[in-house]
Amino acid sequence: AQTVTQSQPEMSVQEAETVTLSCTYDTSESDYYLFWYKQPPSRQMILVIRQEAYKQQNATENRFSVNFQKAAKSFSLKISDSQLGDAAMYFCAYRRDPNFGNEKLTFGTGTRLTIIP
Amino acid sequence: DSGVTQTPKHLITATGQRVTLRCSPRSGDLSVYWYQQSLDQGLQFLIQYYNGEERAKGNILERFSAQQFPDLHSELNLSSLELGDSALYFCASSVGRRGGGYTFGSGTRLTVV
Repeated sequence: AQTVTQSQPEMSVQEAETVTLSCTYDTSESDYYLFWYKQPPSRQMILVIRQEAYKQQNATENRFSVNFQKAAKSFSLKISDSQLGDAAMYFCAYRRDPNFGNEKLTFGTGTRLTIIP
Repeated sequence: DSGVTQTPKHLITATGQRVTLRCSPRSGDLSVYWYQQSLDQGLQFLIQYYNGEERAKGNILERFSAQQFPDLHSELNLSSLELGDSALYFCASSVGRRGGGYTFGSGTRLTVV
C-alpha cells in the first residue's frame, strides 16, 4: 500500500524568507501524481502544486516550487518570499495513475506552517 | 467557489442518531470521493463512486454508507453516531480519467454530542 510521510509536524518562517516542507512516499508504481494541498483556518482544501511522476522537470507555481526526487521518493515544497497568507496546514498527497481504476488520494499527516511577521 | 457543493456546512446531532451529508460534484465530473478529517489529522479516504457505481472503498465503517444518484450527486449516510465520528467530511470530484483534476468541496463539519 502507498504511504506518505511528513516528518515535520510544525514549521515556522520569517515573513519574506524561504521555507521548505518535506515529504517522502512509498510506492511500487512507476506512474503516479504527487500534490501539495494547503488548508487554511477556513478548512478549505486548496491545491498548491502538482507533479506528474513521468515528468523530469520540477513543477513551479509562482512562489511555490517542488524538488521531486523520484529515485529517493522525495517530494519537498519550497515557498519563497513567504507571506502572512501562506500560514496554513500543508498536506502532501499521492495518487496512483487513474487508468488503474483507483484514484483516491493518500495524504500525509500534514505540516503546520506559521509565518512570523 | 470550487464547483463542488456540500450541504449542510455544519451539523450538530446526538449520539445514536443518523445523518445524511450531500455532495454535488463539479459539472462534468463523474467520480465522487468522500474523505474524513478528524481534528488535526490528515484526510482519510472513505469511498469512491464513479458514474453511479461504487469504485473503491477505504476505511469506511459499516455504520456508514454512500450512494451516487443518476444526476451524479452523492450522499453519505452516517448512522448510530458516536462521539468519535465528529469530524470534517469532505467530498471531492474528478473527471475520472488520466490527468483529470481533483476538486474538493468546502466540507461538512459534523459534531456529535
